[in-house]
Amino acid sequence: DAGVIQSPRHEVTEMGQEVTLRCKPISGHDYLFWYRQTMMRGLELLIYFNNNVPIDDSGMPEDRFSAKMPNASFSTLKIQPSEPRDSAVYFCASSLGRNQPQHFGDGTRLSIL
Amino acid sequence: AQSVTQLGSHVSVSEGALVLLRCNYSSSVPPYLFWYVQYPNQGLQLLLKYTTGATLVKGINGFEAEFKKSETSFHLTKPSAHMSDAAEYFCAVSDLRSGSARQLTFGSGTQLTVLP
Repeated sequence: DAGVIQSPRHEVTEMGQEVTLRCKPISGHDYLFWYRQTMMRGLELLIYFNNNVPIDDSGMPEDRFSAKMPNASFSTLKIQPSEPRDSAVYFCASSLGRNQPQHFGDGTRLSIL
Repeated sequence: AQSVTQLGSHVSVSEGALVLLRCNYSSSVPPYLFWYVQYPNQGLQLLLKYTTGATLVKGINGFEAEFKKSETSFHLTKPSAHMSDAAEYFCAVSDLRSGSARQLTFGSGTQLTVLP
């Protein structure tokens, strides 16, 4: 069974550039979560979707961040314009059902120069 | 508001020794509790979870944890450490937010080193 798939695994870009992170959840899962992990702040929930609809985006740091889920098998997290402080590992996770454990992808390590 | 405190950001044990990773939580409602493990350059993997019922929960790789409501604790243990257990471990708590799914709040993590 394929797990949560994220791409790219690594991204290095210059500040000011647009960055798009991609996630394919586990087939059949109806919840999708985006997290950010940094040494300073640990793991933070950015946003989550249920049945492709954004439910809670209160963790999104600012308007430069946006997330979409156009269908059940694909989601994107976009940063425009990117800044060095956005450097982090971004994880996508999915779950089947409201209160079930979340399955994490291997993350995207983002470096903004 | 819910929160998780993991005591000790780094724990070292000898191979074959007992592993004890501490986790205390606060939650305004009965919590769901989880332990996740993260190996280098990988995502988090679920080790075990407590939702309701039996307070001693067994997980993968020989780990177990006990929910103690009176102590608001959910410590992770393994009787005998193996080199392959070296990783970072996260305790997480979730509770039901009004009108939303249970959301996870993670502790800051404990890096486990296993010495030969």
